Amino acid sequence: QKEVEQDPGPLSVPEGAIVSLNCTYSNSAFQYFMWYRQYSRKGPELLMYTYSSGNKEDGRFTAQVDKSSKYISLFIRDSQPSDSATYLCAMSASRGSTLGRLYFGRGTQLTVWP
Amino acid sequence: NAGVTQTPKFRVLKTGQSMTLLCAQDMNHEYMYWYRQDPGMGLRLIHYSVGEGTTAKGEVPDGYNVSRLKKQNFLLGLESAAPSQTSVYFCASSPGSGLQGPQHFGDGTRLSIL
Repeated sequence: QKEVEQDPGPLSVPEGAIVSLNCTYSNSAFQYFMWYRQYSRKGPELLMYTYSSGNKEDGRFTAQVDKSSKYISLFIRDSQPSDSATYLCAMSASRGSTLGRLYFGRGTQLTVWP
Repeated sequence: NAGVTQTPKFRVLKTGQSMTLLCAQDMNHEYMYWYRQDPGMGLRLIHYSVGEGTTAKGEVPDGYNVSRLKKQNFLLGLESAAPSQTSVYFCASSPGSGLQGPQHFGDGTRLSIL
């Protein structure tokens, strides 16, 4: 079992829809949680970064972390065709030999059609 | 502001040939990483470095070597290329771990081994 699980999709929604992307994880040492967006033939770019449990909002994007359930989410409101990309979750530990190393989900491919 | 620059962007090799991929960052980051990305597998860590002169193995290190002689550069070498090493290779860097942990990625090197 991978330490981070993410449904690869693909996910296809109409413009304006609310998109929900999710990851689950097994390592209770994970404290830092990230979402990356990757456009075709480009490198991943950091979208959201949260520490421990709770919510963080940035414009149309909201990241949620539920450490008790080992579950993180990214919500996209009023989705746009320009949001079409692969979204990767990533996380890292606060202690131990894995400090600094990121563990990635496989990515969810999202298409927003006009 | 270049960020993370990878060279070359594309390369085709024959089985058994060797080559070196170069990663350069201009953000004065301490940590640097090499990943490979394959369809359905997500990002897998090959090797990483937590400072000049240091390297460590990641998840899939076999068949690769790395060097970090200068803080801004991280080299990935393929000793004897195999078709299984056909992939997209990404380099990343970060200031540190934990709260400084989010990684910044280059746009990748697409490598084909015939």
